[in-house]
Amino acid sequence: KAGVTQTPRYLIKTRGQQVTLSCSPISGHRSVSWYQQTPGQGLQFLFEYFSETQRNKGNFPGRFSGRQFSNSRSEMNVSTLELGDSALYLCASSLASYNEKLFFGSGTQLSVL
Amino acid sequence: QKEVEQDPGPLSVPEGAIVSLNCTYSNSAFQYFMWYRQYSRKGPELLMYTYSSGNKEDGRFTAQVDKSSKYISLFIRDSQPSDSATYLCAMSEGEYGNKLVFGAGTILRVKS
Repeated sequence: KAGVTQTPRYLIKTRGQQVTLSCSPISGHRSVSWYQQTPGQGLQFLFEYFSETQRNKGNFPGRFSGRQFSNSRSEMNVSTLELGDSALYLCASSLASYNEKLFFGSGTQLSVL
Repeated sequence: QKEVEQDPGPLSVPEGAIVSLNCTYSNSAFQYFMWYRQYSRKGPELLMYTYSSGNKEDGRFTAQVDKSSKYISLFIRDSQPSDSATYLCAMSEGEYGNKLVFGAGTILRVKS
């Protein structure tokens, strides 16, 4: 069974640009969560989608947004990039939206110059 | 003060040693407790998943949760060089949206 797939693996952008990251969950999983990982702040929850609906959201500015498609694939968008947005962005999938085990992808490493 | 505190290490042990990793937390609403392992340039891999207080064993790994002390532990028996990684504790209140709060991670090095 294929795991969680994130594309692209690496991305370099400049300040002010926007970026879209993609996540394909494990087959049959309907929940997709996004996390940001930085050396200073560690892993922080961004948001979670289940059946195309955002169920929960972390404390990030509105520049961070996401969506989920009917096939459970998800995208995350960051607009007006700042240097501090440089991070590893991790996607995790699970069967459902409540107290489920999360399975993570390898992440997208975003560098903002 | 962070909700979840975890000593970042690094922790260096000889092969075959018993490793003890710990986290403390302040939010008494946490009910679900997890340990993840993360290798360099990879995503976290779920090792243990427990609910409420008690012990859970899986092969060489044992997870303990003491809610009265707000303290969780992961023990690794007969440690191997392949166990060298960053170990992250994570917790959730049990709410819709699968929101996990992570510790900073402990870097473990097992020397052969």
